[in-house]
Amino acid sequence: AQSVTQLGSHVSVSEGALVLLRCNYSSSVPPYLFWYVQYPNQGLQLLLKYTTGATLVKGINGFEAEFKKSETSFHLTKPSAHMSDAAEYFCAVGAGSYQLTFGKGTKLSVIP
Amino acid sequence: KAGVTQTPRYLIKTRGQQVTLSCSPISGHRSVSWYQQTPGQGLQFLFEYFSETQRNKGNFPGRFSGRQFSNSRSEMNVSTLELGDSALYLCASSPILQRDTEAFFGQGTRLTVV
Repeated sequence: AQSVTQLGSHVSVSEGALVLLRCNYSSSVPPYLFWYVQYPNQGLQLLLKYTTGATLVKGINGFEAEFKKSETSFHLTKPSAHMSDAAEYFCAVGAGSYQLTFGKGTKLSVIP
Repeated sequence: KAGVTQTPRYLIKTRGQQVTLSCSPISGHRSVSWYQQTPGQGLQFLFEYFSETQRNKGNFPGRFSGRQFSNSRSEMNVSTLELGDSALYLCASSPILQRDTEAFFGQGTRLTVV
């Protein structure tokens, strides 16, 4: 079985500041890891994914995440926050089956 | 290319009724998954279909069921609705059944049970 823990249900950053959203996973097999973003009243949109190979993954809108097997982490970062980044972010793991197991989500607020 | 389409977008039902939600995947996609999203439980997997066969099912009661048609369109049904079934129901499609494949999500159907 797999699980995902996202530290911090709410994160606030100032516009232009670093965004860091934390995700730790548990999996008994090599995981596939995903970050999705959800805007109000919308579905989920894929930001980036890690399958195999390079552990630093670049996604859309300037986001990137690093897979650290030793720390079982897949934290999401963006060097400079923009007002349009305000949304809810979900980390997900796919391992051993075809379903995705999602974290509880982190709501990001960007302060002007 | 059209995205995943879910209908209706909003639905209000009374306890005890049943409801059917529809999902049209992206053209060419053969895998459809359903998720329930609530503030308390977050996103929870309901079931996944591929080539008209249910491949995987989450931990939900038998009141929740689904099916997939030959054109890959999918429906999910909830019978004997309870207040706790109020949620955003999300459908996602993928071209194939493979763990590293991106799932494309629809905008969801918001179900309110009163």
